[in-house]
Amino acid sequence: EDQVTQSPEALRLQEGESSSLNCSYTVSGLRGLFWYRQDPGKGPEFLFTLYSAGEEKEKERLKATLTKKESFLHITAPKPEDSATYLCAVQADRYSTLTFGKGTMLLVSP
Amino acid sequence: DTAVSQTPKYLVTQMGNDKSIKCEQNLGHDTMYWYKQDSKKFLKIMFSYNNKELIINETVPNRFSPKSPDKAHLNLHINSLELGDSAVYFCASSHSRGEQYFGPGTRLTVT
Repeated sequence: EDQVTQSPEALRLQEGESSSLNCSYTVSGLRGLFWYRQDPGKGPEFLFTLYSAGEEKEKERLKATLTKKESFLHITAPKPEDSATYLCAVQADRYSTLTFGKGTMLLVSP
Repeated sequence: DTAVSQTPKYLVTQMGNDKSIKCEQNLGHDTMYWYKQDSKKFLKIMFSYNNKELIINETVPNRFSPKSPDKAHLNLHINSLELGDSAVYFCASSHSRGEQYFGPGTRLTVT
């Protein structure tokens, strides 16, 4: 059974204080690892897809990396508007659906 | 333009009632999904349709019945609502089962 574990469950940062969120996964074969951002009362918003170990993708202050066992979402110099829950999901093969982790709730204080 | 839309956004109803949630996507995707997000914010797949055909049906009570009239629409009908059905329901769509794009959610409260 595919499993996704995200840590920490919650993270509080000061504006400008860089950090990383972790997503550990167990899957029979990885077709893709997905990162989403979810704001309160809204649906998850797609951020990145990573397909193979060593791959990196960036968007503004966010950078996602992938190894064979985990993915990191690095947040550089975060701003209050980066506050949200960040969800990680894996897809084992093209016929599988996504298995989500429980998310990391990020709060960035001014 | 809204990519994935759902109606209604909020639904409050009594136990035993039957209700429907509608979903539409204008992204031209061929696959649509229903997810349930519980009070602990855990997002779990319920159903998946590809080109109007049911391809994934997770362990969901048969009181839940999805219907896809065409590739752009996927509705969820729920019979005999129970307290435990209270949750946020998300519709999503994707192209060839790639990254999924989610709707805004429908918060269902059963009293």
